[in-house]
Amino acid sequence: QKEVEQNSGPLSVPEGAIASLNCTYSDRGSQSFFWYRQYSGKSPELIMSIYSNGDKEDGRFTAQLNKASQYVSLLIRDSQPSDSATYLCAVKAAGNKLTFGGGTRVLVKP
Amino acid sequence: DTAVSQTPKYLVTQMGNDKSIKCEQNLGHDTMYWYKQDSKKFLKIMFSYNNKELIINETVPNRFSPKSPDKAHLNLHINSLELGDSAVYFCASSQVISRTQSYEQYFGPGTRLTVT
Repeated sequence: QKEVEQNSGPLSVPEGAIASLNCTYSDRGSQSFFWYRQYSGKSPELIMSIYSNGDKEDGRFTAQLNKASQYVSLLIRDSQPSDSATYLCAVKAAGNKLTFGGGTRVLVKP
Repeated sequence: DTAVSQTPKYLVTQMGNDKSIKCEQNLGHDTMYWYKQDSKKFLKIMFSYNNKELIINETVPNRFSPKSPDKAHLNLHINSLELGDSAVYFCASSQVISRTQSYEQYFGPGTRLTVT
């Protein structure tokens, strides 16, 4: 079982709709959770971090964390073509080691 | 601009050669990392240095040797390059709070290494 799992996609979303991305992790001791966006040929860019159960909103992005079920999700509201990218879920357990999922490719169609 | 920078951006070399990649951050962070992203886009940590001390050393061939002259610089030297070393190598940095906690990691632009 992979430590951090994501559906590879592509997740096709009409412009203006909500994109919903999910991520599950295996280490119950994980403490910090991050979402990175990576455009093709570019480096990962941090868009959200979440540390406690519940929702965290930042602009059009909402991260949701459920430690009991070991999943973290990302919602992108009012999706724009510029949101088309690969979204990487990253999980940090003790020791400051960040483990990444394989990424979900999102395509927003005008 | 404050950032994590890497040189070179592209590196094309032949099998058996030795090459180095350099990374510098001016964010004032005390911890730096090397990641490898393979052709399937899977991003995996290789090494981490905190204040010039190696703290993460994943299962990486001995041909890879990181060096951190100070907390703002982290270099990666690769000996006897192999075809399988072709990948994008990312440097990242963060500020560590404690042995088990740190702030977010910020990534450099990457170095695309092609071994022929």
